[in-house]
Amino acid sequence: SQQGEEDPQALSIQEGENATMNCSYKTSINNLQWYRQNSGRGLVHLILIRSNEREKHSGRLRVTLDTSKKSSSLLITASRAADTASYFCLQGNEKLTFGTGTRLTIIP
Amino acid sequence: EAQVTQNPRYLITVTGKKLTVTCSQNMNHEYMSWYRQDPGLGLRQIYYSMNVEVTDKGDVPEGYKVSRKEKRNFPLILESPSPNQTSLYFCASSPGTVGEQYFGPGTRLTVT
Repeated sequence: SQQGEEDPQALSIQEGENATMNCSYKTSINNLQWYRQNSGRGLVHLILIRSNEREKHSGRLRVTLDTSKKSSSLLITASRAADTASYFCLQGNEKLTFGTGTRLTIIP
Repeated sequence: EAQVTQNPRYLITVTGKKLTVTCSQNMNHEYMSWYRQDPGLGLRQIYYSMNVEVTDKGDVPEGYKVSRKEKRNFPLILESPSPNQTSLYFCASSPGTVGEQYFGPGTRLTVT
């Protein structure tokens, strides 16, 4: 399987703290995407980073990409209760592969 | 409203009874795909389609069939469902493979 690994599997932090989750993948990529899923619902696209980019920002989100290590990280700053969700990375060209996900809980 | 729809949203069926889960998108997207989501395993791709009449296997295609006769529709067919196909299924579409994927709301399937 080419499924990527994410760590940690679960993360609980206090509201206002920063949350960092990591994704490792196995094959070369054109881009890598991050998605959020609230409790068994459909996934929502957060951000896409291309293979020639090292860092990208979107609001409170910061994504980094290290193609030499085949890894990416998602940082959520100043977390809020509404950020409680599962987060997945997605990579691939035609056949797409999700990471195993990080379940983030924000404690009010 | 741009969206991906799936039907049914919930289905309980018995082993061996053929079923079809429909997926439709109104965004004229070329790429469509199906995933199953199981606890601890994340989402795994079942099949994908680059365009009409073009389909390919994902990571877990066994026990599933798909067809892409029209650009907007990509049904998932379980010819003889088994209990190990109990799962949460998602359909997704995108303009191409390198862009944002738009997901349907999911279909929760239980096979007894």
